[in-house]
Amino acid sequence: DVKVTQSSRYLVKRTGEKVFLECVQDMDHENMFWYRQDPGLGLRLIYFSYDVKMKEKGDIPEGYSVSREKKERFSLILESASTNQTSMYLCASRGPLNSPLHFGNGTRLTVT
Amino acid sequence: AQKITQTQPGMFVQEKEAVTLDCTYDTSDQSYGLFWYKQPSSGEMIFLIYQGSYDEQNATEGRYSLNFQKARKSANLVISASQLGDSAMYFCAMREFRSNDYKLSFGAGTTVTVRA
Repeated sequence: DVKVTQSSRYLVKRTGEKVFLECVQDMDHENMFWYRQDPGLGLRLIYFSYDVKMKEKGDIPEGYSVSREKKERFSLILESASTNQTSMYLCASRGPLNSPLHFGNGTRLTVT
Repeated sequence: AQKITQTQPGMFVQEKEAVTLDCTYDTSDQSYGLFWYKQPSSGEMIFLIYQGSYDEQNATEGRYSLNFQKARKSANLVISASQLGDSAMYFCAMREFRSNDYKLSFGAGTTVTVRA
């Protein structure tokens, strides 16, 4: 069974802090994704990666960056956290093209 | 433009009854896939069912079935014999294989509450 693990379930940070959200998958998947989930908006794609050291912007990349140094790990970085980045962040990985995304349990980030 | 539209923010259903969750989509691709996910209050996203645009038959997985009407661009999820554990948020999603290969676009979701 695919396991996608996000390092923190809940996180509280101050405005201006640099924040790292970590995600690890154990299925040797090429593709990894970061989404944020907000009420009434569903899930919106921030960044994705289709290979090590490769990254592509999603729909809402502003204020975020990512790192994929190893195949199993995909990190989301908030360079300078702001209150409008308070949200639920979901990491996912995917195997072949027709296969579904496998999600982690999410990180609920609050920026005060 | 919104790729996936779920018009029902919330629904109530009686235990053991069936419920239909609406999903319409917008794409000019001929080749695409439609997915439904369930998100209980615990937060994890659980994959339920998949329908490819070229699949002749409607997808079914246990109590879940997908009512796929290609001409209307709709992919409604039907949950039969609802159980209390079906109370959750449900998301419809689409992947366009030609124009937007990697990305899965999600709707806003529908919250289902099953009453005993």
